[in-house]
Amino acid sequence: KAGVTQTPRYLIKTRGQQVTLSCSPISGHRSVSWYQQTPGQGLQFLFEYFSETQRNKGNFPGRFSGRQFSNSRSEMNVSTLELGDSALYLCASSLLTGGPEDTQYFGPGTRLTVL
Amino acid sequence: DQQVKQNSPSLSVQEGRISILNCDYTNSMFDYFLWYKKYPAEGPTFLISISSIKDKNEDGRFTVFLNKSAKHLSLHIVPSQPGDSAVYFCAASAHGSGNTGKLIFGQGTTLQVKP
Repeated sequence: KAGVTQTPRYLIKTRGQQVTLSCSPISGHRSVSWYQQTPGQGLQFLFEYFSETQRNKGNFPGRFSGRQFSNSRSEMNVSTLELGDSALYLCASSLLTGGPEDTQYFGPGTRLTVL
Repeated sequence: DQQVKQNSPSLSVQEGRISILNCDYTNSMFDYFLWYKKYPAEGPTFLISISSIKDKNEDGRFTVFLNKSAKHLSLHIVPSQPGDSAVYFCAASAHGSGNTGKLIFGQGTTLQVKP
């Protein structure tokens, strides 16, 4: 079974631009979560989608948004990019059996550099 | 407020010996704990997990111990191999509304296994 895939793997943007990142979950997984990893803040939760609905959101500004499609693929968008948005953006998917023991499996990430 | 803490930024052990990585948490609502291994510029790879109803879980060379009263968990790797050299993240989740799909990560411990 193929793992979580993320595209593109690398992106370079300039301040003020916007960017869209894509994530395809493991086949059969319906929950997709997004995380930001920076050297200073570590791994931080952005949001989670299930059945095309955002069910949970982390403490990030409204410039960070996302969506999920009917095939469970997800995209996240960052508008009006700032230098501090440079980070590794990680997507994770899980089966979501309904119990507490749901393991998230991560993709390789998208490295975003804002100049 | 850092709910999951890995107080040792780095650990160095000799090949064949035991590696013990530690993690402390503050939120008593956490009911599922995971360990991930990560290489630079890659996504975290799931290693092993434990539910809060257990105090030990083994998978090959990896064993995770949970001490709920101390709010402490540890990952034991026996025997350690050079290929184990990576950053190890402890993560926790709390089942329930408002917490779906959200993992709280520690800051990571860099393990170096010397040949």
